[in-house]
Amino acid sequence: KAGVTQTPRYLIKTRGQQVTLSCSPISGHRSVSWYQQTPGQGLQFLFEYFSETQRNKGNFPGRFSGRQFSNSRSEMNVSTLELGDSALYLCASKREGSYNEQFFGPGTRLTVL
Amino acid sequence: GENVEQHPSTLSVQEGDSAVIKCTYSDSASNYFPWYKQELGKRPQLIIDIRSNVGEKKDQRIAVTLNKTAKHFSLHITETQPEDSAVYFCAASRRAGGTSYGKLTFGQGTILTVHP
Repeated sequence: KAGVTQTPRYLIKTRGQQVTLSCSPISGHRSVSWYQQTPGQGLQFLFEYFSETQRNKGNFPGRFSGRQFSNSRSEMNVSTLELGDSALYLCASKREGSYNEQFFGPGTRLTVL
Repeated sequence: GENVEQHPSTLSVQEGDSAVIKCTYSDSASNYFPWYKQELGKRPQLIIDIRSNVGEKKDQRIAVTLNKTAKHFSLHITETQPEDSAVYFCAASRRAGGTSYGKLTFGQGTILTVHP
């Protein structure tokens, strides 16, 4: 079974621009969560989507948004980019069940200049 | 909200020694505790997990223990090898059906270095 995939793998943007990242979950997984990874803050939860609905949201500003499509693929968008948004953005997918067993994609490395 | 503390931040051992990483969590509603290994430039990889109805789980050289009363859990790696060198993250998650389900709260990570 193919793993979680993310595109693009690398992005360079300038302040004020916006960016869209894509995540394709493992086949059969309907939940997709997004995380931001930085050296200073570690791994932080952004939001989770299930059945095209945002089910949970972390403590990030409204500039960070996402959506999920009927095939479970998910996108996240960051508007009005700031230097501090430079990070590795990881998505993870899981099956529905009693436990939160998540599998990560390779991430998108975003650099904001 | 949930908080996960992880120690130590760095750990250096000789090949063949054991390594232990400890985490504490704050949310008594947490019922799932995974451990991830992240090599440089790679994705976090789930290496072992433990559920709140179990006190210990072992998979070859890796074991995890959970003390629900004290709200802490630990990763034990025996007979370490250079390829075990990586950053290890612990995490905690609430049970299904409650709020914040789908969210993993991570510790700050431990950089493990195994010297040949």
